[in-house]
Amino acid sequence: EAGVTQFPSHSVIEKGQTVTLRCDPISGHDNLYWYRRVMGKEIKFLLHFVKESKQDESGMPNNRFLAERTGGTYSTLKVQPAELEDSGVYFCASSQDLRGQGSTDTQYFGPGTRLTVL
Amino acid sequence: RKEVEQDPGPFNVPEGATVAFNCTYSNSASQSFFWYRQDCRKEPKLLMSVYSSGNEDGRFTAQLNRASQYISLLIRDSKLSDSATYLCAVNPWSNQGGKLIFGQGTELSVKP
Repeated sequence: EAGVTQFPSHSVIEKGQTVTLRCDPISGHDNLYWYRRVMGKEIKFLLHFVKESKQDESGMPNNRFLAERTGGTYSTLKVQPAELEDSGVYFCASSQDLRGQGSTDTQYFGPGTRLTVL
Repeated sequence: RKEVEQDPGPFNVPEGATVAFNCTYSNSASQSFFWYRQDCRKEPKLLMSVYSSGNEDGRFTAQLNRASQYISLLIRDSKLSDSATYLCAVNPWSNQGGKLIFGQGTELSVKP
């Protein structure tokens, strides 16, 4: 079974540019999460989709970040315009929703996208 | 105070040693607890879920102490391949989504 995939693996952009990250969850997983790890800090939650709906976007840093999951399959995370402090590793994770709660199902992480903003 | 805190280490131990990691959480309503393992420049991978009764998987034992709000991970007979960063993760509530709050991770280095 294919795992969570993310594209690109690395991205180097200049401040003010736009970058779009993509995540393909495990097939059949309704829950999709975005996390970010800034260097030297812990992994932080950004947002959670259940199918195509945003269940929780409390971790989104500001309105320069836009996440979508049209059709409830893959998701994109766009940063526009990028700032220096957006550099970090962006992880996507997915899980099934076996009990309709989402809280205890194992989250499988993708390999991450390493974003560098110069 | 951070929601989830871990000793950052690093822990440097010889092969065969027993090592214990602790993790404290601040939200007493937290429902689900996990230990993840992360190798250098890789994604976190679930090592164990942590249950109230404690659970064991081979050389790994996880414990939950709700009264003191901490979870622990014990690794016995450590191997070179156990070298990694161990992340504690907490789901702060149930029925409202599964977001995980992570600690900063504890680095383990097992030496020959």
